[in-house]
Amino acid sequence: KNQVEQSPQSLIILEGKNCTLQCNYTVSPFSNLRWYKQDTGRGPVSLTIMTFSENTKSNGRYTATLDADTKQSSLHITASQLSDSASYICVVSADFGNEKLTFGTGTRLTIIP
Amino acid sequence: DAGITQSPRHKVTETGTPVTLRCHQTENHRYMYWYRQDPGHGLRLIHYSYGVKDTDKGEVSDGYSVSRSKTEDFLLTLESATSSQTSVYFCASRPPGRFSYNEQFFGPGTRLTVL
Repeated sequence: KNQVEQSPQSLIILEGKNCTLQCNYTVSPFSNLRWYKQDTGRGPVSLTIMTFSENTKSNGRYTATLDADTKQSSLHITASQLSDSASYICVVSADFGNEKLTFGTGTRLTIIP
Repeated sequence: DAGITQSPRHKVTETGTPVTLRCHQTENHRYMYWYRQDPGHGLRLIHYSYGVKDTDKGEVSDGYSVSRSKTEDFLLTLESATSSQTSVYFCASRPPGRFSYNEQFFGPGTRLTVL
């Protein structure tokens, strides 16, 4: 069964600090991995997407890494801001058509001033 | 959320009543999806559509039906709501083509409570 596991479940950090969120997956065949940000009461918004040939991708202060051999990904947030408080969801696609997405349960990140 | 709206945003209903949730997109996207999000679970696909009147089941389709009579609208119906269908429902859409493999655009969600 395809699975995506994220850690930690929740994280609290001070504003301005960096943090790293983890994602391990067992999805086959692998097509791509994406990270979404979901603010409370809103729908998920895509941050980054990586195929098996990409091992890092940045979007502003967000940097995602992918190790397709170990089936691990991480999302690094630099110089956190209060607006970064949200759930971060790792999603793995098993085909190019996007119909076979496996979602992680997310990491709930809280930034405190 | 740009370009995708859901209605209603909140609904409380009673067990056994029919419920229809509406998703409307202005992006002319071919593909549309309905997901549910529950604590302790990732988003789970209920049904999806790959064109007008073309739909297929997802992993948690029991108790749900969908219809798509126009490109912009995708309806999710609970024929007889049960308490286990209390959830937050998200609609998503994406354009066709191999190079759009990376992007589903989500609506703001509908919080449904079945008493």
